[in-house]
Order: sequence, then C-alpha cells, then structure tokens
Amino acid sequence: QKEVEQNSGPLSVPEGAIASLNCTYSDRVSQSFFWYRQYSGKSPELIMSIYSNGDKEDGRFTAQLNKASQYVSLLIRDSQPSDSATYLCAVIVWANRDDKIIFGKGTRLHILP
Amino acid sequence: ETGVTQTPRHLVMGMTNKKSLKCEQHLGHNAMYWYKQSAKKPLELMFVYNFKEQTENNSVPSRFSPECPNSSHLFLHLHTLQPEDSALYLCASSQSSDATEAFFGQGTRLTVV
Repeated sequence: QKEVEQNSGPLSVPEGAIASLNCTYSDRVSQSFFWYRQYSGKSPELIMSIYSNGDKEDGRFTAQLNKASQYVSLLIRDSQPSDSATYLCAVIVWANRDDKIIFGKGTRLHILP
Repeated sequence: ETGVTQTPRHLVMGMTNKKSLKCEQHLGHNAMYWYKQSAKKPLELMFVYNFKEQTENNSVPSRFSPECPNSSHLFLHLHTLQPEDSALYLCASSQSSDATEAFFGQGTRLTVV
C-alpha cells in the first residue's frame, strides 16, 4: 500500500517563528516530492518541488528531502498570518505500470499573530 | 493564472438533475484527474486519465461519469446525486511521460439540494 503520511495538526506557530511541516512516505523508489498550500475552500497551489536529497530553498520556504529515511519536510521562515493554510505533501509513486501522484491528508498550520 | 480552467465555479443542483463539470488545460499535459474534497476532509482521487484513457477509478459511484474526449478536456457528468455529494470538485493535470507535479484548477463548488 502506497502511503503518504502527515500529522493533521493543527500546528500553531507564533508569527515570525519557523514553521516545520513533516511528511513520510512508504514507497522507497519515489523520486519526486511536492508541497502544496491550500487555503480553506480553495484549490491546492504548488509551492515547492524537490527531487534530490538535501535542502532546496525558495524565498522563505525550504524543502528538505531524506530518501534514506523516507521523509520530506517543509520549513517556513519568518511565518506570517497569511501562511495559515493546510499544507499537502505529495509524492509520485509507480503503480500498475504508471506513475501517479499520492497526496497526504495535509497539515493545518495556524500562524498566531 | 492557472493553466487549468474549471467551469462552472459554483453549481447548485437537485437530486434529479443532470449536469456536467468541465475542465480544460492549456499546459500540454497528458494526464488529467478528478478529485473530490468534502468539507474538512482530505483530497479523494476519483478518476485518472492518461492519454485520454481512463487508468484509474477509485470505486466511484456510477452517478459520476467521466469523459475525456482529448488530452486537453475532461468532463464529469453528474446525475441523480445525493446531498452527501456536495463538495469541492477539483480537476488537475500533469505531464504523464515524466513524474512531474500536478496543477489544479480553481474547482467547482457543488451543492446538491
């Protein structure tokens, strides 16, 4: 069973602090990993993608990938109230001779003003 | 601006009505998806089309009928729905030949009365 697991939260972080979101996955051969942000009632928006072990930085966002431990994380520096949303982790898995995207259930992040 | 467009954005229908949701992507992608997102629930994958062929049906009731006439268009035909089918229906697309991220449309907010 291919799975992507996230803590559902809510995760409360003071404004200006670092928010850390974690995701684990079960398919060892997965190669592509994504973080989506979804505001309530809106569609998911891709904010980060990562394909290699290590860190990838984009503005206030840093994605971290550790394939050996099968986890991917998202760090948000200098958290802002506008960062309050649900963050979805997504992983490309290979199944039935095709690749498909599997989403985690999402972590609700609440930035405290 | 999203490259995936969904219409209508909002739809209210009775349980005896027949309606269709439309999705169009201008990204040159070959895979398209329908997701359902009920209130306070995670994304549920409904259907996957790869090169116009349905490759996945996640045990979706027959009152939901997808149609993919070409790689750019995806429809979801609805008939005799139930109130519990009220949800946000999201269309997404991705490049199927390589493992890449999915891009979402804005969604259709469906209310069944």
